[in-house]
Order: sequence, then structure tokens, then C-alpha cells
Amino acid sequence: DIQMTQSPSSLSASVGDRVTVTCRASQRISSYLNWYQQKPGKAPKLLIYAASSLQSGVPSRFSGSGSGTDFSLTISSLQPEDSATYYCQQSYTTPGLTFGGGTQVQIK
Amino acid sequence: QLQLQESGPGLVKPSETLSLTCTVSGASISSSGSYWGWIRQPPGKGLEWIGSLYSSGTTYYNPSLKSRVTISVDTSKNQFSLRLSSVTAADTAAYYCARNLYSTNNQNWLDPWGQGTLVTVSS
Repeated sequence: DIQMTQSPSSLSASVGDRVTVTCRASQRISSYLNWYQQKPGKAPKLLIYAASSLQSGVPSRFSGSGSGTDFSLTISSLQPEDSATYYCQQSYTTPGLTFGGGTQVQIK
Repeated sequence: QLQLQESGPGLVKPSETLSLTCTVSGASISSSGSYWGWIRQPPGKGLEWIGSLYSSGTTYYNPSLKSRVTISVDTSKNQFSLRLSSVTAADTAAYYCARNLYSTNNQNWLDPWGQGTLVTVSS
């Protein structure tokens, strides 16, 4: 099984800050990595697919990078509405999927 | 616009079977290039993939749940369903259905998701 490890588990940053969340796979997964945003009481929403492709309608301040085992999600200028939990998910072993443990992003 | 909606009982007794249905609108569940999946999230915890199904009926399950899970499809109603047997309190979670969309080079992702439904296991 491929394990996905996210760090940090939570962070607090100010509006306008550059924020980076990292995700590490237990084995190489090429670019088969997706990112989701989840707000309280809501379903997850796709942000980034195939490691670096921005989903339609998602603000351009969100970006993804990485390949192999190490990946990152960056918010270039944090906005109040970005307060949420972010999950990475590997799709290398599709249709079997695994998620990271999540990173909670809070606004100071 | 493709939409998914979960439905089913919000309360299930221990040792009984949890049954949920996902109704797909805006596209045919038989459309190629898509699997259809179930994901759950215990209160305050992370996401867990339960299993996925192709419109042909081919299924794939999380090994940790495989002995208790059945996912099936009803193409005439554009629905797919989840059954989880012998439930315990540990199965209390929000249950989501989602489309697993495939693109080139087998890249795939979950989009869209249903709004989710909370199922509580309690006597």
C-alpha cells in the first residue's frame, strides 16, 4: 500500500502570506497526485490534479508542484476564504486511492 | 452540470447493514472514462476510500473493508449503491459519493463529489 504523509498537520498564517503544504508518498507515484480543499460541513473540492494542473474555476493563487515522492501545494497570497483543510490523494494505484491525513490552514 | 446526491438512513444499529444510494444527474453513469466511488470521513478525521465501480459492474474495494463492502450499479436509474455489513460505532462517518474521472495517461481524480450524508451507528 502507498502511504501519503502530509505536513504540517496544521498551520496559521496571515492574509497575504505565501503558504506551502507538503505531501510525501511512501513510494514513487510519478505525477499521480491530486489536491482537495474541504471547508467545515462541506464535501471536498478538487483544486489541483495530476500534481500541477489547476482545476477550472480555482483561483490562480493556488498551485501544485512535484513528482515522484514529494509534492507541494502553494497558496501564493492567502485569503480569508482559504481557511480550510487540504488533502492530497494519490491516484497511481487507481482505482484504489489513498489520501493524506490533511493539513488545516487557519487565518491569524 | 454533473451532480451527485447521496441518500439513505442516517441511523443504523450495530451489527446491521448500512445501505446508501448515490443518484447521478447531468450525465449517464454508463459514460466511458469514469469510475464511481464511495469515500467516508469519521467525525473530525480524514478521508478514507471505500471502493469504486465501473458502469460494467466491475468493482474495487479497500482491502481493509473488502469483506464487508458491496458496491453495485443500477444503470436504469442512473444510481450506484453502497452496502456495508456488520457495522460498529467505528463506521460512524460522513459518506460521500464521487465520480473518479480518467484522462490521458491514466491520470484520474475525484470530481464532483456529492454533498455527503452522515451515518451514525448506534442502538
